[in-house]
Amino acid sequence: GAGVSQTPSNKVTEKGKYVELRCDPISGHTALYWYRQSLGQGPEFLIYFQGTGAADDSGLPNDRFFAVRPEGSVSTLKIQRTERGDSAVYLCASSLSSDAYNEQFFGPGTRLTVL
Amino acid sequence: LAKTTQPISMDSYEGQEVNITCSHNNIATNDYITWYQQFPSQGPRFIIQGYKTKVTNEVASLFIPADRKSSTLSLPRVSLSDTAVYYCLVGAGNTPLVFGKGTRLSVIA
Repeated sequence: GAGVSQTPSNKVTEKGKYVELRCDPISGHTALYWYRQSLGQGPEFLIYFQGTGAADDSGLPNDRFFAVRPEGSVSTLKIQRTERGDSAVYLCASSLSSDAYNEQFFGPGTRLTVL
Repeated sequence: LAKTTQPISMDSYEGQEVNITCSHNNIATNDYITWYQQFPSQGPRFIIQGYKTKVTNEVASLFIPADRKSSTLSLPRVSLSDTAVYYCLVGAGNTPLVFGKGTRLSVIA
């Protein structure tokens, strides 16, 4: 299992509920990214981790969104009080950390539907 | 981050060479140019990356003129399985990727 995995693949929830989306990066990749993709659009950056710390969270749309990566591997994206506008595919990517511009490896995404 | 502009869509017949050009007038000295491919219901996949001149791999070629204000992704002899969205991105270091809407390539039999 060499690739990035994401669970669940699909999540349907009701407006106002709390959801957690999980990302398992490629082993040894220290950089981890979350993106969100709406229909017909390119992926939109949310947050980036280097190791355990969030190096850049400027893409998180508001304080309902939060992500953690406590041991520098698996990451969880948490969305509180979900809204219908949060419906999208949430993509996770990982890459090696170096000074060069590294290829990001994407998972298949979690399709979130908020009813 | 440099903004990129690329055609919204392109059509091609099987077996033809496809060239997708991307404009990035404000590219910075440290920026690399990278192309990703995305199939429906999948995450984007890295195709090719370059800094200047020409880069070729088993999938595609990337042509970058001396001023680096544009780049062209060349797909030789496309097949139906090359139908996808292609994204051109510029950036440096381990920075977040900034995606536009990409170019939707449709390959016709």
